[in-house]
Amino acid sequence: NAGVTQTPKFQVLKTGQSMTLQCAQDMNHEYMSWYRQDPGMGLRLIHYSVGAGITDQGEVPNGYNVSRSTTEDFPLRLLSAAPSQTSVYFCASRGVGNEQFFGPGTRLTVL
Amino acid sequence: ILNVEQSPQSLHVQEGDSTNFTCSFPSSNFYALHWYRWETAKSPEALFVMTLNGDEKKKGRISATLNTKEGYSYLYIKGSQPEDSATYLCAFESPDDKIIFGKGTRLHILP
Repeated sequence: NAGVTQTPKFQVLKTGQSMTLQCAQDMNHEYMSWYRQDPGMGLRLIHYSVGAGITDQGEVPNGYNVSRSTTEDFPLRLLSAAPSQTSVYFCASRGVGNEQFFGPGTRLTVL
Repeated sequence: ILNVEQSPQSLHVQEGDSTNFTCSFPSSNFYALHWYRWETAKSPEALFVMTLNGDEKKKGRISATLNTKEGYSYLYIKGSQPEDSATYLCAFESPDDKIIFGKGTRLHILP
């Protein structure tokens, strides 16, 4: 099992550009989530999904879109990147009632 | 707004000493409490998931307790070793599957 994979590892964008951060898991987990990590702020929940076709907002959803068309994939879309979205993004998945497994993270810089 | 507080923010402990730190969370709308260990340049890794008031969990030299009535959990490390240096995160899970993290306790083990 590859576990939770994220691509790309690093990305630099200009303000106003759009991009999609990819997340995939091969553990057949229903629950997937996206967090961002900023200095002094810990991990903040952006969006989460409890199964294919179901998504919900977390603590800081503004500026991000998600969809969950399959159990395996949970992409995070930035429609118009802003410098405030410079961060490290972590995707996670888990089975019912269990701990989350995190991907390796994507480091995003918006200029 | 859901508040998950961890204290202290940072802690220096002599190798061989035991230590503990606290996670405070809302006592209402509780489903589970998670603990994670996060080493620099890696992804968070789960330590424990606790659901019942009075729960105690143990993994090697690390243990955790849970008090859902008063809204706190303690993480204990016995006989600290250099490899215990990391940030320890707790996360509150509500019945709607939202998992919200505290900002973490950064633990430094001094040789």
